[in-house]
Amino acid sequence: GAVVSQHPSRVICKSGTSVKIECRSLDFQATTMFWYRQFPKQSLMLMATSNEGSKATYEQGVEKDKFLINHASLTLSTLTVTSAHPEDSSFYICSARRPLGTGSNQPQHFGDGTRLSIL
Amino acid sequence: GIQVEQSPPDLILQEGANSTLRCNFSDSVNNLQWFHQNPWGQLINLFYIPSGTKQNGRLSATTVATERYSLLYISSSQTTDSGVYFCAVLSNSGYALNFGKGTSLLVTP
Repeated sequence: GAVVSQHPSRVICKSGTSVKIECRSLDFQATTMFWYRQFPKQSLMLMATSNEGSKATYEQGVEKDKFLINHASLTLSTLTVTSAHPEDSSFYICSARRPLGTGSNQPQHFGDGTRLSIL
Repeated sequence: GIQVEQSPPDLILQEGANSTLRCNFSDSVNNLQWFHQNPWGQLINLFYIPSGTKQNGRLSATTVATERYSLLYISSSQTTDSGVYFCAVLSNSGYALNFGKGTSLLVTP
């Protein structure tokens, strides 16, 4: 079964709206989660790394004031797209990896993604 | 950062045919995963294979870490195998998976 849950799966809203996406690890504690973005017919690009209890680390070119990340607990990270505009329309996917202490290198598990459409 | 190249970019097969997808990467890796992205966008984890060979039904994968490549074999393809196949790697110095551009597979009846 799924080990990472992401909600909502689809959002359609007006320009200027802020949208919050949740990512939960279901059966393990994730000190680190990752947020990716995928435009149509393109690959997944890492946006930011979410760290529990500290600030997120953003990839080059990703606006931290536009994409607010909060990782307040060991099982939940949220991505808020603030004042969303049509160019923010995309597919957003989160992922998490079991802590390294649980064994050898672990695979990354992905949520089912959130399709965001800004009108 | 680490470069991930997948080939071919597009592939059309008739049902029942076999195929091999390739993933080349530019540096040593701690992790390599193959995914199938279905039409709804869901990423289905096929293999976690930083080295060696694994098989799961009609699918198998081999990673030769020393030569920096991985292969995904699909045998007796079915129309439900259609979609995009991604290879993603975690370099020794990295912290998150880096994705290749994918192979778009269409299996026709």
